[in-house]
Amino acid sequence: RKEVEQDPGPFNVPEGATVAFNCTYSNSASQSFFWYRQDCRKEPKLLMSVYSSGNEDGRFTAQLNRASQYISLLIRDSKLSDSATYLCVVNGGGTSYGKLTFGQGTILTVHP
Amino acid sequence: GAGVSQSPSNKVTEKGKDVELRCDPISGHTALYWYRQSLGQGLEFLIYFQGNSAPDKSGLPSDRFSAERTGGSVSTLTIQRTQQEDSAVYLCASSSQGTAYNSPLHFGNGTRLTVT
Repeated sequence: RKEVEQDPGPFNVPEGATVAFNCTYSNSASQSFFWYRQDCRKEPKLLMSVYSSGNEDGRFTAQLNRASQYISLLIRDSKLSDSATYLCVVNGGGTSYGKLTFGQGTILTVHP
Repeated sequence: GAGVSQSPSNKVTEKGKDVELRCDPISGHTALYWYRQSLGQGLEFLIYFQGNSAPDKSGLPSDRFSAERTGGSVSTLTIQRTQQEDSAVYLCASSSQGTAYNSPLHFGNGTRLTVT
């Protein structure tokens, strides 16, 4: 089993749609969770951290389910500018707490 | 302020040659990470440093790959006897704290390595 697995997509949605991505992780000792965004041929950038109680940043909502070992990202009212690859990131557990593992990414295309 | 700087931005080398990639992290950032990304693929973890030590180097693909960090700042990733499958974008990132505190990674623009 991969350390971090994501919905491969691609997702093609119209402007204004709501879209959700899921990500599962294998290490139950993981403590830190993030969503990054990567535009074509650019470096990844932090979108948001994921907190235990769930958190929201504008149109973006992140959730963590420790029991099932998955995190999710919900994007409401999609914009054309949301088109990108979304990367789930999880840290290692125990002595590998500093290791950050990226999922393969989910491609999102928002069309007019 | 200055971000993470990587050099060179592009490197074309012949199979069998050695290459050295450099990363200058953001000043004061204690954690430094190396990843590589092949075309159309996700980021593959290579190694990370906390200060000058590397707690986890499990992602280095083979003994042809090595990395070091000196003075808690600059890091170099060395690939010996390069092979065509080493062709990828090598990304460096730094972070101000351990990830237990949810501090984000700041990435450089990467070095695009092509082995011919």
